[in-house]
Amino acid sequence: AQSVTQPDIHITVSEGASLELRCNYSYGATPYLFWYVQSPGQGLQLLLKYFSGDTLVQGIKGFEAEFKRSQSSFNLRKPSVHWSDAAEYFCAVGNTGNQFYFGTGTSLTVIP
Amino acid sequence: DAGITQSPRHKVTETGTPVTLRCHQTENHRYMYWYRQDPGHGLRLIHYSYGVKDTDKGEVSDGYSVSRSKTEDFLLTLESATSSQTSVYFCAISESPGQAYNEQFFGPGTRLTVL
Repeated sequence: AQSVTQPDIHITVSEGASLELRCNYSYGATPYLFWYVQSPGQGLQLLLKYFSGDTLVQGIKGFEAEFKRSQSSFNLRKPSVHWSDAAEYFCAVGNTGNQFYFGTGTSLTVIP
Repeated sequence: DAGITQSPRHKVTETGTPVTLRCHQTENHRYMYWYRQDPGHGLRLIHYSYGVKDTDKGEVSDGYSVSRSKTEDFLLTLESATSSQTSVYFCAISESPGQAYNEQFFGPGTRLTVL
């Protein structure tokens, strides 16, 4: 069965600092991987996705993620965080079936 | 932004009453999903649909039913609401989820409170 683990429930970073949010997945084949962001009171917005090819994926808002098959990870990174990045971030895995599986989310606080 | 609306956006109801939430899309996507979002649990799939009148259960389907009589509408019904169903409900759509480069698009959510 597929599953997604986001080990960090909450992260606090200073504005301008770098960010890395962790995501580990469990899936037998090559997964489809996604990162979504949710601002307070809003729906989820896709940041980036990985299906195949280059393991470093660029997304919107300056985010990137790296797929590491050996570690079953798909960590999200940003070199310099802005106050507007404060939100909840969800990692998700899909497959050749009909369903997507989400992690429990990481809440990001940005301090001035 | 994908054309997905949910109604109502907020609802307060009492235990034991029936509740229906509506998801409407203008994208003509085949797949539609209902999730609930709760602190510490992320998003959990309730039910999904892969076509008109074609639905299947997700991991937390007990106490919920769905219907899809038109491509654009997917209804979620709580036959007899309980306090444990207090949550934020999200609808999502996808064109072909099993194929590469197809992600889910999410609606704005419905906040449901069961007293």
